[in-house]
Amino acid sequence: AQKVTQAQTEISVVEKEDVTLDCVYETRDTTYYLFWYKQPPSGELVFLIRRNSFDEQNEISGRYSWNFQKSTSSFNFTITASQVVDSAVYFCALSPFSGGYNKLIFGAGTRLAVHP
Amino acid sequence: GAVVSQHPSRVICKSGTSVKIECRSLDFQATTMFWYRQFPKQSLMLMATSNEGSKATYEQGVEKDKFLINHASLTLSTLTVTSAHPEDSSFYICSANDLAGVMETQYFGPGTRLLVL
Repeated sequence: AQKVTQAQTEISVVEKEDVTLDCVYETRDTTYYLFWYKQPPSGELVFLIRRNSFDEQNEISGRYSWNFQKSTSSFNFTITASQVVDSAVYFCALSPFSGGYNKLIFGAGTRLAVHP
Repeated sequence: GAVVSQHPSRVICKSGTSVKIECRSLDFQATTMFWYRQFPKQSLMLMATSNEGSKATYEQGVEKDKFLINHASLTLSTLTVTSAHPEDSSFYICSANDLAGVMETQYFGPGTRLLVL
């Protein structure tokens, strides 16, 4: 089965706190891509990162960082020093090779609320 | 980055009417575009894959006669919701792969909120 699980439905933090959004995936493919997208209240999905299955290096981009661990099939996303503008729904998604990389399988999303 | 637009952003219609939603890739060409539906507080569900110059591929459970897709050019795909009913009210989002660049990343449009009365 191809599946993405985001167990945290909603997270609420106070500004400047660090927060980690969990993502666990299932796939039989050895080649696949993983993504994180941000959906602010306006509705538009904003691409944050793509990671292929052969690259387990962690990535940092400003206040954002991602931890990819194939051993646990996880691709977690950490926001450091959160800000109110980070409030949004965050989706983790899987694109398996067997789907021709065309099929994006989304998790249920995690709604992050950052309070001043 | 790759920009995808959708029109209209919001539409309200009466039950039984048809609604057309346009999806355009503004600064790149896309042989493949995707249509998703998102109900409130839920995730995105792929409805169909739209291929330029050929028939769309629909996901299981999506009625192809109700959701008509036309991919007329490398920058335009349209979704027509025919004989819309209140249960079709949803947020419809399109996405596209960049033909010239990496195919593995989908860029999303801003979405269209459809309300059927």
